[in-house]
Amino acid sequence: KAGVTQTPRYLIKTRGQQVTLSCSPISGHRSVSWYQQTPGQGLQFLFEYFSETQRNKGNFPGRFSGRQFSNSRSEMNVSTLELGDSALYLCASSLLTSGGNEQFFGPGTRLTVL
Amino acid sequence: QQQVKQSPQSLIVQKGGISIINCAYENTAFDYFPWYQQFPGKGPALLIAIRPDVSEKKEGRFTISFNKSAKQFSLHIMDSQPGDSATYFCAASFLSGTYKYIFGTGTRLKVLA
Repeated sequence: KAGVTQTPRYLIKTRGQQVTLSCSPISGHRSVSWYQQTPGQGLQFLFEYFSETQRNKGNFPGRFSGRQFSNSRSEMNVSTLELGDSALYLCASSLLTSGGNEQFFGPGTRLTVL
Repeated sequence: QQQVKQSPQSLIVQKGGISIINCAYENTAFDYFPWYQQFPGKGPALLIAIRPDVSEKKEGRFTISFNKSAKQFSLHIMDSQPGDSATYFCAASFLSGTYKYIFGTGTRLKVLA
């Protein structure tokens, strides 16, 4: 069974631009969660989607948004990029909503904002 | 109350030694405690997990010890190998509307050959 895939793997953007990241969960997994990972802050939860509905949201500004499609694939969008948005963005999938069920992470998208 | 405190921040162990990483929590609603291993340039990979009705779980060289009364759990890596050099994250999960994961800040382990 294929794992979680994320595209692109690397991105370089400039301040003020916007970016869209994509995540394909493990086949059969309907829950997708997004995390931001930085050296100083560790893994910070962004949001979770289940059956195309946002079920949970972390403490990030409205510039961070996401969506999930009927095939469970998910995208996250960051608008008006700031230097501090440089991070590894991780997607994790699980069979049901996260917690109690194992989360499986993708390789991440490394975003660099110049 | 939703924090998971992980220590140490970094750890150096000789090959063949035991690596021990500790995590502590406060929220008694947590009901699932996984450990993740992350190599540079990769996403975290689920290593081993435990639920609070069990005090210990062992998988190969990896053991989780869980102390419910102290609200602590730890990862023990027996016979540590250079290939174990990675960053390890503990996490705790609980139900609040939907299930949520809280991650520790990570421990960078280096095993010397």
